[in-house]
Amino acid sequence: AQSVTQPDIHITVSEGASLELRCNYSYGATPYLFWYVQSPGQGLQLLLKYFSGDTLVQGIKGFEAEFKRSQSSFNLRKPSVHWSDAAEYFCAVKGAGTALIFGKGTTLSVSS
Amino acid sequence: EAEVAQSPRYKITEKSQAVAFWCDPISGHATLYWYRQILGQGPELLVQFQDESVVDDSQLPKDRFSAERLKGVDSTLKIQPAELGDSAMYLCASSLVGGSNNEQFFGPGTRLTVL
Repeated sequence: AQSVTQPDIHITVSEGASLELRCNYSYGATPYLFWYVQSPGQGLQLLLKYFSGDTLVQGIKGFEAEFKRSQSSFNLRKPSVHWSDAAEYFCAVKGAGTALIFGKGTTLSVSS
Repeated sequence: EAEVAQSPRYKITEKSQAVAFWCDPISGHATLYWYRQILGQGPELLVQFQDESVVDDSQLPKDRFSAERLKGVDSTLKIQPAELGDSAMYLCASSLVGGSNNEQFFGPGTRLTVL
């Protein structure tokens, strides 16, 4: 069965420092992968997605992610974190149908 | 910018009561999803509609949950009777069609607290 694992429940990063959030997936075929961000009490906003092609994907707000099939990973990165990036981040894979299967999320805190 | 609308934003109810949530997807979006997000977890699919038809309700607790999308536009999710374990955020999402490369747009959610 398809699944997504986000190993880090909570990460704290200093403002201006780089960020990497880990995501591992389990899916038999070529996965469709997504990263969403959720601010407190809000819905989810799509940061970026990977369907095929270039394994380095650029998204909104300066985020990027790299698909590594050999490692079953789709890690999210940002070179310089801003205080406004503090939120919860979810990695997701498209399931056998069209609904999304989400990881449990990583909460990002940004320290000054 | 078009958005998915949900109401109410917050709902507090006592166990054994009935509750209903409403979702209005982005105009023209044929596919509508209801997800449930328990605190500290990622969202999980409850039900998926294609127009007015249910495509997937395998994870919907049908003894107490029901969902409808009568005219293929807006949708209602109902819980009767509510239980303590139903406390969660209920998220609605929509996409143009159900294809794998169609982005899902999420509404702000309804936060349900069952006392």
